[in-house]
Parts: sequence; structure tokens; C-alpha cells
Amino acid sequence: QLQLQESGPGLVKPSETLSLTCTVSDGSISSSNYFWVWIRQPPGKGLEWIGSIYYSGSAHYNSSLKSRVTISTDMAKNQFSLELSSVTAADTAVYYCASLYGGGYADFWGQGTLVTVSS
Amino acid sequence: AIQLTQSPSSLAASVGDRLTITCRASQGINSALAWYQQKPGKAPKLLISDASSLESGVPSRFSGSGFGTDFTLTVSSLQPEDFATYYCQQFISYPQRELTFGGGTRVEIK
Repeated sequence: QLQLQESGPGLVKPSETLSLTCTVSDGSISSSNYFWVWIRQPPGKGLEWIGSIYYSGSAHYNSSLKSRVTISTDMAKNQFSLELSSVTAADTAVYYCASLYGGGYADFWGQGTLVTVSS
Repeated sequence: AIQLTQSPSSLAASVGDRLTITCRASQGINSALAWYQQKPGKAPKLLISDASSLESGVPSRFSGSGFGTDFTLTVSSLQPEDFATYYCQQFISYPQRELTFGGGTRVEIK
């Protein structure tokens, strides 16, 4: 079964860009069965879909974050990445990457990584 | 975006109790709904897809039902490992429409 692992800085300064990478193993991000998704969860709060990307490179974003988000893939490394610009304290959250089967439900998840926005 | 409203937002229950959580969509989503279980410090775990399809390895005491705007997650007899937070998520017409999650239902031990 698919395994996903997030990596990236745990601390980002306000106004800077948050960058995370998700490495996929035991499966290929070039699979036509999956979209690849980023989801976040502020401390003590619920889940928020950030955006997703298909192997073709077609990406879709949460309209509330769209102006600041970019999701991309690196087929050679079997990875996909998240960039969130102009971060504020409100972007402090656990960030999860996951596989979105058929563009619907997230069946495999990374363990999550806490990103804190603070100077 | 389609809004999902879960109720209750939290509850206290005992081992052996029957648990019912509801998820209401702001517009019809056919059966494009999933349920997840999340324990503290862990990633969510997919329990049910397409409103009522139990994922492999999920105990049969979990079940889902509903269509359109009203959905239910039921646990027939709560076990100690079921105390967690549960979320619904809709995916109607993705990627033409955005994905959204319900606000969550926290289930605590009475």
C-alpha cells in the first residue's frame, strides 16, 4: 500500500514562504487512479483541504488560499510539493499529504508535520 | 463551496453504547461522502467511502448511510479504541468543485 512522508521546515517566519515536500513510496505519483492532496489542521481545529494535483500537472486549490498556493510534482523523485506564500500565524498547522483515490476520498495519509509561523 | 455540518460537535458515551453522528450538506452530493476517524496526534484514517462502503480492515460495527444532503455514521457498540474525533468529507464533482470537511465530532468517554 502507498506510503507518504512529509518533509520541510517546522518553523517559518511571517511573510515568508512555507515549502513542504511529500515523498510517495510503494506506488507511483504518475498513477492515473490518484490525485495528490495537501490538507492542514490548525492546532485544536478541524481539517482544511488546501489543494490537489493530478499526474498530468493539473492542480486545483481551495479558493480561500488560491492566491498564495502552488502545488507541483517531481515525477523523477516521486514527490509532490506545497508552497504557501506570505504566511501569517493563521497558517500555523499540522500539514498532511495524502492520496486522493479517484479524486474523491483520501485513503492513504502521511503522518503530518507541524509548521509554526513565528518570528 | 458546499458546507458540511456535523452534529453533535462533541458527545460523551460509554463502552457498548450505540453511536450516531450526522453530517448535513448544504446542497445535494449524491453519495459522494467519506468518513474519517482521527486519534490525538495521528493522521485521519478513512473508515467509509461513497457514503456506505466500509474500507478494508475497518470493523463491521462501523456503518454509514445516506444520500443527497443527510448522512449518518453509526457505531453499533462503542469499543475503547473508538473514542476519537470523526470527520465527514464531500467530493461531489471533484475537481470541478472544491473538497470540504465537516467540523468534526469529538467522542469522549463518559
